[in-house]
Amino acid sequence: SYELTQPPSMSVSPGQTARITCSADVLPKQFAYWYQQKPGQAPVLIIYKDTERPSGVPERFSGSSSGATVTLTISGVQAEDEADYYCQSGDSSGAYVFGTGTKVTV
Amino acid sequence: EVQLVQSGAEVKKPGESLKISCKASGYNFATYWIGWVRQTPGKGLEWMGIIFPDDSDTRDSPSFQGQVTLSADKSINTAYLQWHSLKASDTAMYYCATTFCNSSTCSTGNAFDLWGQGTLVTVSS
Repeated sequence: SYELTQPPSMSVSPGQTARITCSADVLPKQFAYWYQQKPGQAPVLIIYKDTERPSGVPERFSGSSSGATVTLTISGVQAEDEADYYCQSGDSSGAYVFGTGTKVTV
Repeated sequence: EVQLVQSGAEVKKPGESLKISCKASGYNFATYWIGWVRQTPGKGLEWMGIIFPDDSDTRDSPSFQGQVTLSADKSINTAYLQWHSLKASDTAMYYCATTFCNSSTCSTGNAFDLWGQGTLVTVSS
């Protein structure tokens, strides 16, 4: 298996842009997904297939991909975006791998 | 309403057995993969395994192989995670999560589209 590496934490002011990276050599070959987890709650899918946003997810959340790194961008961060964020991908055997997680403080 | 509802919190002693459940409603349970994810206190998410309820085809994470058993009963739309002998290190929150992906449709890819609310398992002597 492999590891998806994320920065442990970041702090952003309201209205600023937060960019959370997720890196692994497998990412050029596998889609990435992003989840938001608020304290005491289950994770929620916010980005799928690198760049797609499920219905109901605010437009300020976007995903991008470049080589071995995928990025979750939160434009115009709001207080309610304070949460842990996890990337996830897979491998050719059908296994699922989660990133190490990033705590975003607003 | 499309949802996954998990069984309640458990407190067990080391060496005891346990089976927790995840009941699906609002979608065709049998035809979508459903997985289990562990989250230890203050730690991240770990994928444990995934099962296809229609035929019970299972994929286990190497990290959890032999430690837990995944099963499903499609007649009552319920997935299960079972331990035969718990350890203190099994103390964690356990989530079930489904991926709306099968051989016919896979619009969101291998994402976990829908999550249960979690079951907290505490193992302590």
